[in-house]
Amino acid sequence: AQSVTQPDIHITVSEGASLELRCNYSYGATPYLFWYVQSPGQGLQLLLKYFSGDTLVQGIKGFEAEFKRSQSSFNLRKPSVHWSDAAEYFCAVGAGTYKYIFGTGTRLKVLA
Amino acid sequence: SQTIHQWPATLVQPVGSPLSLECTVEGTSNPNLYWYRQAAGRGLQLLFYSVGIGQISSEVPQNLSASRPQDRQFILSSKKLLLSDSGFYLCAWSGGAEAFFGQGTRLTVV
Repeated sequence: AQSVTQPDIHITVSEGASLELRCNYSYGATPYLFWYVQSPGQGLQLLLKYFSGDTLVQGIKGFEAEFKRSQSSFNLRKPSVHWSDAAEYFCAVGAGTYKYIFGTGTRLKVLA
Repeated sequence: SQTIHQWPATLVQPVGSPLSLECTVEGTSNPNLYWYRQAAGRGLQLLFYSVGIGQISSEVPQNLSASRPQDRQFILSSKKLLLSDSGFYLCAWSGGAEAFFGQGTRLTVV
């Protein structure tokens, strides 16, 4: 079955520290992969996407993610976190032509 | 550029009352349209998607229905709300690649 797992429900980091949010997927074919960010009470904003090609993709706000087929992972990274990065982050896989399957999200807290 | 509008932003409704949430997309034609529900700590659950006018696919059995009366309009409805219908509802559209989301509707059923 198609699924997306984000094993960390909550993560707390200090401002200026590096960040890695984990995402594992289960999908039979080559996936389309996405990371979205959601501020409280808001919709989801696309951070970055992977369709094919270079497995390290750059996104907005200084985020990047690396697709590792052997590990079925698409982890999100940022070298130095800012207080404004505090939000909830969702990993998603494009499952077929029309569907998107989301993980349960990781809530990021940033300490000053 | 494409934009997606979703309203209302918040809604408090009594149990047993009807529901109508509306979503419209501008700047694109024949988009795929989606309704998701987000419950606390449970991620996003796909409720309905539509690939064209009048074409609705339901992902989970529930107390809700969806309609697409026009190409860029997607409506989520219920005849009688349940307490369990409370949540954050998100509309999204896609041209076949990534999905773009509206700002969401916080529905509280009391």
